[in-house]
Amino acid sequence: AQSVTQPDARVTVSEGASLQLRCKYSYSATPYLFWYVQYPRQGLQLLLKYYSGDPVVQGVNGFEAEFSKSNSSFHLRKASVHWSDSAVYFCAVAQTGFASALTFGSGTKVIVLP
Amino acid sequence: EAAVTQSPRSKVAVTGGKVTLSCHQTNNHDYMYWYRQDTGHGLRLIHYSYVADSTEKGDIPDGYKASRPSQENFSLILELASLSQTAVYFCASSGDRGANSDYTFGSGTRLLVI
Repeated sequence: AQSVTQPDARVTVSEGASLQLRCKYSYSATPYLFWYVQYPRQGLQLLLKYYSGDPVVQGVNGFEAEFSKSNSSFHLRKASVHWSDSAVYFCAVAQTGFASALTFGSGTKVIVLP
Repeated sequence: EAAVTQSPRSKVAVTGGKVTLSCHQTNNHDYMYWYRQDTGHGLRLIHYSYVADSTEKGDIPDGYKASRPSQENFSLILELASLSQTAVYFCASSGDRGANSDYTFGSGTRLLVI
C-alpha cells in the first residue's frame, strides 16, 4: 500500500528566508506526486504536481519541488517566504486500485515570522 | 468556473442521529471522493465513486455510506453518528485517472457530534 511521510509537523521560518518541506513516499510503481496548501478553514489548493520528466517541478507562488526516485522523496522548496505562506502543506501520492484517489501525508504547518 | 460545493459548511449532530453531507461539482468530472480530516492529520479516504449510481469503499468506510445519484452529486451519510466521527469532511472531484487527474476540493464541512 502507498504511504506518505512528512517528518516535520511544524516549521518556523523568518520572512524572506528559504523554506524546505520534506516528503517521503512509499510506492511500488511510478508515483504521481502532489503538494497542496491549506489555509485556515479552507479547502486544499494545488501547488504543483509531478508525473514524469524533469525532476524539478515549478508550481504557483514561487514554489518548486524535486522528485528523487533513489531517495523516494518529493521535497518542496521556496527561495524566499512571505508571511502569507503561513499555512499547512500536504504531500500526496495518487493511489492505484482506488480510482485515482490520493494518499496524504500528515501535513507540515509552516509559520512565517515577520 | 468549475467548482466543488459542499453543504452544510458546518453542522452539530447528536450521537445516534443521521447526518447527510452533500457535495455538488460543476467540473464534469467522473470521479468523486469523500475524505475526512482530523485535527493535526492529513486526509483519509472514506468512499469514492467513478460513475453515477455506483460507490466504492475507501480506506476508512466503517460507519459511513455514500450515494452518487448523478455525475454532479455525491453524498456522505452517517446513519448513526458517533463522537469519533467529529472531523472536517472534504469532497473532491477529478477527471481522468492517473497522469491526467486534476483534483478539485470543496471547502469542507465541519461536523461536531455531541
